[in-house]
Parts: sequence; structure tokens; C-alpha cells
Amino acid sequence: SQQGEEDPQALSIQEGENATMNCSYKTSINNLQWYRQNSGRGLVHLILIRSNEREKHSGRLRVTLDTSKKSSSLLITASRAADTASYFCATDYGNNRLAFGKGNQVVVIP
Amino acid sequence: EPEVTQTPSHQVTQMGQEVILRCVPISNHLYFYWYRQILGQKVEFLVSFYNNEISEKSEIFDDQFSVERPDGSNFTLKIRSTKLEDSAMYFCASSERAVGQPQHFGDGTRLSIL
Repeated sequence: SQQGEEDPQALSIQEGENATMNCSYKTSINNLQWYRQNSGRGLVHLILIRSNEREKHSGRLRVTLDTSKKSSSLLITASRAADTASYFCATDYGNNRLAFGKGNQVVVIP
Repeated sequence: EPEVTQTPSHQVTQMGQEVILRCVPISNHLYFYWYRQILGQKVEFLVSFYNNEISEKSEIFDDQFSVERPDGSNFTLKIRSTKLEDSAMYFCASSERAVGQPQHFGDGTRLSIL
């Protein structure tokens, strides 16, 4: 199946700590994207990393991509209570559709 | 910041009835998508739409489903003869280009089939 798979699926951390999530996929991609979903809301795009990139930063977010291992990680530094959400990776195989993983539930305790 | 808007936020329909879910994509975007998320499961791609025609569809998107861009702003998903298993959150998304661009999602329509 050509879908991202995140690991771990649930994470509970103290405010100020870092949160790391991983995602793996099975075949070559054009790019990989991370999205956040707050309860009852839509998916909010966080960051896109292309297949020829290895690392990308956006504010407190850091994404890495290892195409040899077919995996990506999302790091949220200095977490805040407002970061509590589900985080999804989505792979873009260049076929005009995104394939989402199951998501990571992150709870940041104030 | 421009948003994708979806209406209604919640739709309750009797099994066998037809339902139309509506979306207003971001105005300068050219590619439109529908996804669904059954409770507790992954977000699943249904269909993509460009230049007034379907460009890609999944195996879920069978003859029961259709999409339309009836005017310059709306993008609709019609589900004919709804089944219990159609109950899900349906998300509309749009993007400037097909590949290599983020997709912007609406807040979804929760469809409940009774």
C-alpha cells in the first residue's frame, strides 16, 4: 500500500519538551507533507519536504527525510499546550493525490 | 488568509437518500479534491478535479459518487443512494498546482447516515 505510516501513535509530553514523530512509506515519492488536525477541525498544512531535500525547518518544526530508508520525522521543539493535536504525514507520489498515515495524537500537558 | 469553506458542517440523511456536500475552494486554486475520514480511520483520497474534469479517482469513488463545479466558485460532491458506511467526515481541499504544492483543507462536513 502506498501510504505513510506514523509511529508512535500517541504521545504525551510536558510543555517545553520536544515531540518527535516518525513516518515511513513504501515507494518513491515526489514529496512528503505533514499536517495537523485539531479535534473537529480540518487538516492544516505544516510543512512540505521534497524528495531531493533532507531537512527543512519552519519555526519550531523540523522535518527530515531519508529516501534510502523511506522515512521522515517531524520534530516539534519547545512544545506548547496549543500544539495538542493529531499529526499526519502524507505522501505525494506525483499522481495528484495524497496518501495519509494513521496519525499521531500528541497531548502537551501545561 | 484565504480559506476553503465547506457547508453544511453536519448533514444527517436517511439511508438511500441523495446528499450534496458543498465546498468553496480558494479562489486562485486550480486543483480540487475530496477526501473522507471514517471515524478512527485514515484520511482517504476520493477524487481530484482539474479543468472541469476528474483527473484522478480512487477505488472508493464508484458510480455512487459524482463531483461538479457548477459555477466559478463552488465544488460539490454528490452521493447517490447513501449507505450506512458512507458515514464519515468529508473534506474538500484545493491547491494551486497538482504536485509539489500543499493542499489546503476545509473543516469538513460530518455526514451521518441513519
